[in-house]
Amino acid sequence: DADVTQTPRNRITKTGKRIMLECSQTKGHDRMYWYRQDPGLGLRLIYYSFDVKDINKGEISDGYSVSRQAQAKFSLSLESAIPNQTALYFCATSDPSSRGDAFFGPGTRLTVL
Amino acid sequence: AQTVTQSQPEMSVQEAETVTLSCTYDTSESDYYLFWYKQPPSRQMILVIRQEAYKQQNATENRFSVNFQKAAKSFSLKISDSQLGDAAMYFCAYTAGGGADGLTFGKGTHLIIQP
Repeated sequence: DADVTQTPRNRITKTGKRIMLECSQTKGHDRMYWYRQDPGLGLRLIYYSFDVKDINKGEISDGYSVSRQAQAKFSLSLESAIPNQTALYFCATSDPSSRGDAFFGPGTRLTVL
Repeated sequence: AQTVTQSQPEMSVQEAETVTLSCTYDTSESDYYLFWYKQPPSRQMILVIRQEAYKQQNATENRFSVNFQKAAKSFSLKISDSQLGDAAMYFCAYTAGGGADGLTFGKGTHLIIQP
């Protein structure tokens, strides 16, 4: 089984809808991250968390919110989706012992019509 | 803020040849890590190679090696004996210290392998 899983893998939604992307990990890592990938722009950090009570904004947090339900679960929400939030979303984990390595989930392709 | 620049949107190489992908970065930190990630069409992010800034020796992983020039803030990836399976997007990435604050990525280089 994969160490970092994301659901759904693909999602099409309409403008104005609320949508939640979920991430679960079995690596036992405290640090979890949400990134967004757009063509030609690489990956950019949205939010990250060190534990259930420690949530931090990344480079592009506007229009997004997150919830860290447990050490293993980190969800990303779009309260009112808009077309320019169409992108590939990645969850990742890391650990102080991993020398900065990030372990990525398979990604969620989100399309907002 | 840290920035990572990949100046080659696309590169093409013949199978079995060697190709070098370029990356420059900007930081005021002294303790950091640099990475190259590969993203094949499956879209999975795969770590190719890591370089610790405090190490003078360039990292090597089989056919993949880096040329780390700390003073010039340059971090290029060399792929030797290119194979069809190397075709992918390659991202250069940076993180300061122990990596707690996440990765800063370049915009990527699309590598094409010509058979």
